[in-house]
Amino acid sequence: NAGVTQTPKFQVLKTGQSMTLQCAQDMNHNSMYWYRQDPGMGLRLIYYSASEGTTDKGEVPNGYNVSRLNKREFSLRLESAAPSQTSVYFCASRGTGNSPLHFGNGTRLTVT
Amino acid sequence: GQQLNQSPQSMFIQEGEDVSMNCTSSSIFNTWLWYKQDPGEGPVLLIALYKAGELTSNGRLTAQFGITRKDSFLNISASIPSDVGIYFCAGRLSGNTGKLIFGQGTTLQVKP
Repeated sequence: NAGVTQTPKFQVLKTGQSMTLQCAQDMNHNSMYWYRQDPGMGLRLIYYSASEGTTDKGEVPNGYNVSRLNKREFSLRLESAAPSQTSVYFCASRGTGNSPLHFGNGTRLTVT
Repeated sequence: GQQLNQSPQSMFIQEGEDVSMNCTSSSIFNTWLWYKQDPGEGPVLLIALYKAGELTSNGRLTAQFGITRKDSFLNISASIPSDVGIYFCAGRLSGNTGKLIFGQGTTLQVKP
């Protein structure tokens, strides 16, 4: 049981390049989330998907798009990367009701 | 937007000491969660609290859901070197779709 798996683990982009961060969970969870983590800022929600087929903006959605490809997979896309998007990105999922979030191990992205 | 104030920001303690950290907010939460993040990994759930006044232990860790539903604390007793990491509180607002709001984190360092 792998839990939440994120790829890649590390990525360096030049300003203006695009890329997609992948996330998959094998816990049959309905809800999936993308957070970014910056020093002193905690974790901030970028986008989430409450169920397959739906996506909603979180606290900091600008510059990002998401796709809930199926129940297992939720990808985050940067169309034109900017240095301000240098961060550690975490995908998370959770089941129904009040169940807690389960996190992946993160993708460390640097935009130069 | 809603905010959680987590304190202290960082702690440097001697092995064997007890540790206390807390989170406060002006908003009312129906769930409090405490996570620990080791370097290079995603946050891992330590304790989940679902009821005002609830006091829950997990080994040397104890957390409480404040009576006012606006705060929570985490205590670690008899700290050991592997307690090193970043501790995050997270709250789920009443009536919310399940999105969590995270505190800024408490970085704990333990001197052997």
